[in-house]
Amino acid sequence: GNSVTQMEGPVTLSEEAFLTINCTYTATGYPSLFWYVQYPGEGLQLLLKATKADDKGSNKGFEATYRKETTSFHLEKGSVQVSDSAVYFCALSGGGGSEKLVFGKGMKLTVNP
Amino acid sequence: DGGITQSPKYLFRKEGQNVTLSCEQNLNHDAMYWYRQDPGQGLRLIYYSQIVNDFQKGDIAEGYSVSREKKESFPLTVTSAQKNPTAFYLCASMDRPRGAEAFFGQGTRLTVV
Repeated sequence: GNSVTQMEGPVTLSEEAFLTINCTYTATGYPSLFWYVQYPGEGLQLLLKATKADDKGSNKGFEATYRKETTSFHLEKGSVQVSDSAVYFCALSGGGGSEKLVFGKGMKLTVNP
Repeated sequence: DGGITQSPKYLFRKEGQNVTLSCEQNLNHDAMYWYRQDPGQGLRLIYYSQIVNDFQKGDIAEGYSVSREKKESFPLTVTSAQKNPTAFYLCASMDRPRGAEAFFGQGTRLTVV
């Protein structure tokens, strides 16, 4: 079945540091790829998405590019802020006709001033 | 305002009791999902439903049951057969076109006392 593997952390960075969170996937066909963010005690909210190969999703300074050749969707931000402290989840849906929404295990990021 | 609502936010269950977690959405979404979140485990799919009166087991369905009698509602019952029910439960809904994002409720924290 479809699956997502991502860096699990936890990771602690200083403010203005560069962030990369690796995400790779296994799926048949052409899944849609997502990054979700979860703040303490809350549900998840969409950060960005990409629906086809070479698409770049971007939002709030975060970016990720759908790389079919490496089955990856790595999340990057050039300069993190304290407010970026949260748990980040990589996810996919729709690969091979599957309608399941599949998540990675999540990575907790803490950004210190 | 459109959205997805879970209730209650906190729930306490005695050993041997069944409890039902509510999930309601007014987004007119066909697909709805239930996930369980434990520390270090990410989100694990319990059940999902693509259409009214139909639902499928996810990866950890044992000890849980669901119904989908109305498009807006997808309640989850945690039965006494679930041996370790203490967790954070998240409900999500999603429109069916490819690449649509999922919308999450705020979650229900269930504790066995």
